[in-house]
Amino acid sequence: AQTVTQSQPEMSVQEAETVTLSCTYDTSENNYYLFWYKQPPSRQMILVIRQEAYKQQNATENRFSVNFQKAAKSFSLKISDSQLGDTAMYFCAFNVGSNYQLIWGAGTKLIIKP
Amino acid sequence: GAVVSQHPSWVICKSGTSVKIECRSLDFQATTMFWYRQFPKQSLMLMATSNEGSKATYEQGVEKDKFLINHASLTLSTLTVTSAHPEDSSFYICSAPGQGVRSNQPQHFGDGTRLSIL
Repeated sequence: AQTVTQSQPEMSVQEAETVTLSCTYDTSENNYYLFWYKQPPSRQMILVIRQEAYKQQNATENRFSVNFQKAAKSFSLKISDSQLGDTAMYFCAFNVGSNYQLIWGAGTKLIIKP
Repeated sequence: GAVVSQHPSWVICKSGTSVKIECRSLDFQATTMFWYRQFPKQSLMLMATSNEGSKATYEQGVEKDKFLINHASLTLSTLTVTSAHPEDSSFYICSAPGQGVRSNQPQHFGDGTRLSIL
């Protein structure tokens, strides 16, 4: 079965701190794509970052970066210099090959405190 | 950029009413549309996958006669909650894969519909 596990239901950090959200996944496929999505209180789904499994280099998007460990099937998200606007639910997800269906984690609620 | 427009954003209606939710793809053709249901503080739960011109594929446990999905054109998919009851109250979201052959293309999400059945 293909699954995503996010072991941290909720986290909170002070503004400007760095925070890492964990994600592990399971699939027997070799060609897949990993994503982190953000869902703020407005409930819009916003793509934060994505990673192709065949790429060894970790993806980065400004203050957001990932630590992709393929052998361990781990895909953690690091948020540097956290801002109040980063407060949201964060979901880890992946899809396999040409199948667009996303497999979702349970989410981590991140609270940035002023 | 590509956008999925979802309407209505919020609907309150009496028990027994049927409610239609529309998702329109703007500036791209959505051959596939995913329909999700999300309970408070939980993840997205896939209900069904619709493909233009064919019958939708429902996930296990989702009543197809309760949640009617139509995908009659490349730009419009609809979800109708028939004879809605309070237990159908939830947040419903649609998403369509971006165009291109690479499946790392971002999904385009609607803004969601908050359905409240009294």
